[in-house]
Amino acid sequence: GQQVMQIPQYQHVQEGEDFTTYCNSSTTLSNIQWYKQRPGGHPVFLIQLVKSGEVKKQKRLTFQFGEAKKNSSLHITATQTTDVGTYFCAGQRAAGNKLTFGGGTRVLVKP
Amino acid sequence: DAGVTQSPTHLIKTRGQQVTLRCSPKSGHDTVSWYQQALGQGPQFIFQYYEEEERQRGNFPDRFSGHQFPNYSSELNVNALLLGDSALYLCASSLAPPSGGNTGELFFGEGSRLTVL
Repeated sequence: GQQVMQIPQYQHVQEGEDFTTYCNSSTTLSNIQWYKQRPGGHPVFLIQLVKSGEVKKQKRLTFQFGEAKKNSSLHITATQTTDVGTYFCAGQRAAGNKLTFGGGTRVLVKP
Repeated sequence: DAGVTQSPTHLIKTRGQQVTLRCSPKSGHDTVSWYQQALGQGPQFIFQYYEEEERQRGNFPDRFSGHQFPNYSSELNVNALLLGDSALYLCASSLAPPSGGNTGELFFGEGSRLTVL
């Protein structure tokens, strides 16, 4: 079955620094979504990428979908304490299929 | 406009018992998906309901069953509870995509935290 892997599993970042988290699928995806879950909270939608090579920005967050539509990345610049949480990618193999979540990258920010 | 609401928020059961979790989707949404999230893990897809039918199912045993009502609300039932069923159960609502279209944004509820002793 479809597998979605995320690396790293944990990310310790100094406040103000940049970091990138990666998402890799075992199969080609029709689209990929990113969610953020704060400690004790529920996943909250961040963005959806559909096109090969697509890049989208949300303030300090930059999302990219790979050319082969099998991987994605999330880059955060000038990390802030509000960025603490777990970032999940979720891929859909084909339209109408289930959304499969990765294991997440847990981000801790050192002030 | 209420978002996704789930009940109960917390519950404790013993092995072998049965549990029913409830979900009301976001206003205007017609599709409900259920996920199981173990501590420190990503959400695992259980099943999805649309038009009162189970449309897709993940790798969960038949002990996990569900229902969707005409008002789009949904229930998740788990029979013969095992210790390993302890987890946060998340309900997510969305709009059914157009034919051949991608699933859109999922709106999650706060979840029901189940502890099996």
